[in-house]
Amino acid sequence: GAVVSQHPSWVICKSGTSVKIECRSLDFQATTMFWYRQFPKQSLMLMATSNEGSKATYEQGVEKDKFLINHASLTLSTLTVTSAHPEDSSFYICSGLSNYGYTFGSGTRLTVV
Amino acid sequence: GQQLNQSPQSMFIQEGEDVSMNCTSSSIFNTWLWYKQDPGEGPVLLIALYKAGELTSNGRLTAQFGITRKDSFLNISASIPSDVGIYFCAGQFGAAGNKLTFGGGTRVLVKP
Repeated sequence: GAVVSQHPSWVICKSGTSVKIECRSLDFQATTMFWYRQFPKQSLMLMATSNEGSKATYEQGVEKDKFLINHASLTLSTLTVTSAHPEDSSFYICSGLSNYGYTFGSGTRLTVV
Repeated sequence: GQQLNQSPQSMFIQEGEDVSMNCTSSSIFNTWLWYKQDPGEGPVLLIALYKAGELTSNGRLTAQFGITRKDSFLNISASIPSDVGIYFCAGQFGAAGNKLTFGGGTRVLVKP
């Protein structure tokens, strides 16, 4: 099967700083990766779709300048939360598209203090 | 936009009981997927459905793709404690690789 590795699994940062989350496809090439955000006891909300070598497509209401997505290679996509605020605290999950379908990373718990 | 209504929102189970949950949509999907998410983890695929009317099993799990392509259900037979978690349906419309739309989730808990 396909494996997606996401790091870090949790991170605490101070308000105003930036945090980078990495999503790697370990055994397949992910032309497309998806980034989700999940608040406690809620469903996954798609933030953006990233395609290797091109600009990400952001969902309505998601600030592209705040949530920077880079998909420079077929095995790595990154999400950078810039100038983080406490309201950005959430569980962020990436997903890679392979021949086995949509495979999810294990998520990153971001806490902004 | 497309929305998925998943019910029930939560349920309590006792070991050995059968569990059922479903999702309905106002629009059609080409693919229905069922995921389970444990606390602090990403969703894990349980069953994928690709054709209207398709009935697929995975161990004690059974799921069906509704004939109208607007609904799907998931059954868990003879539940065990490790079935506790959050179950999500997800629909995909259009070409393969298009984004998924997730239901609100069904939280399965153990009866006290």
